[in-house]
Amino acid sequence: TQLLEQSPQFLSIQEGENLTVYCNSSSVFSSLQWYRQEPGEGPVLLVTVVTGGEVKKLKRLTFQFGDARKDSSLHITAAQPGDTGLYLCAGRLQPSQGGSEKLVFGKGMKLTVNP
Amino acid sequence: DSGVTQTPKHLITATGQRVTLRCSPRSGDLSVYWYQQSLDQGLQFLIQYYNGEERAKGNILERFSAQQFPDLHSELNLSSLELGDSALYFCASSSRPLYGYTFGSGTRLTVV
Repeated sequence: TQLLEQSPQFLSIQEGENLTVYCNSSSVFSSLQWYRQEPGEGPVLLVTVVTGGEVKKLKRLTFQFGDARKDSSLHITAAQPGDTGLYLCAGRLQPSQGGSEKLVFGKGMKLTVNP
Repeated sequence: DSGVTQTPKHLITATGQRVTLRCSPRSGDLSVYWYQQSLDQGLQFLIQYYNGEERAKGNILERFSAQQFPDLHSELNLSSLELGDSALYFCASSSRPLYGYTFGSGTRLTVV
């Protein structure tokens, strides 16, 4: 059973379109992070959200942490070919739910942005 | 360059063999984490070391072991290799785990 479910798993869009990827769980997280991974490379941290309801913006990317700290979303505005990659959400479980310093990862959303 | 160095980049070996993967964490980071990434399972946590001591264990097979040395570099030892062990193995380090990890570029292991 995957603790973090990401949807959609695959997305192919045209340059200039908007998209949202979701990361859902029934567990509560101390923090949630989004990473982007390109082929042959390790994941690169994009953002960390810690407070329920928190919204963070990074240029054309908007990240939101759910009020109950069980889910998150990533919205990309006017996608560009350089946004192509695997987007992973990862969370650190609350200690009350058996959490430790380890991160649990979703399986990712593979995004292709066509020129 | 993320600051986390993993060697080798690629490794091809036969079933039944033993290999060692090496990781040097980012300067100043005391925690090292090992993850396995396969197409069907995604990134799976294997083990964490903090300043030389094992801190947390995931679904790491008994055939796998790790250690962290006084200079903070870490090694992941994989023995009696099976075809199903073929995967990407990532090392990550962190000084503030709540705020995220820095990953290396991984070792691609192919068992033939």
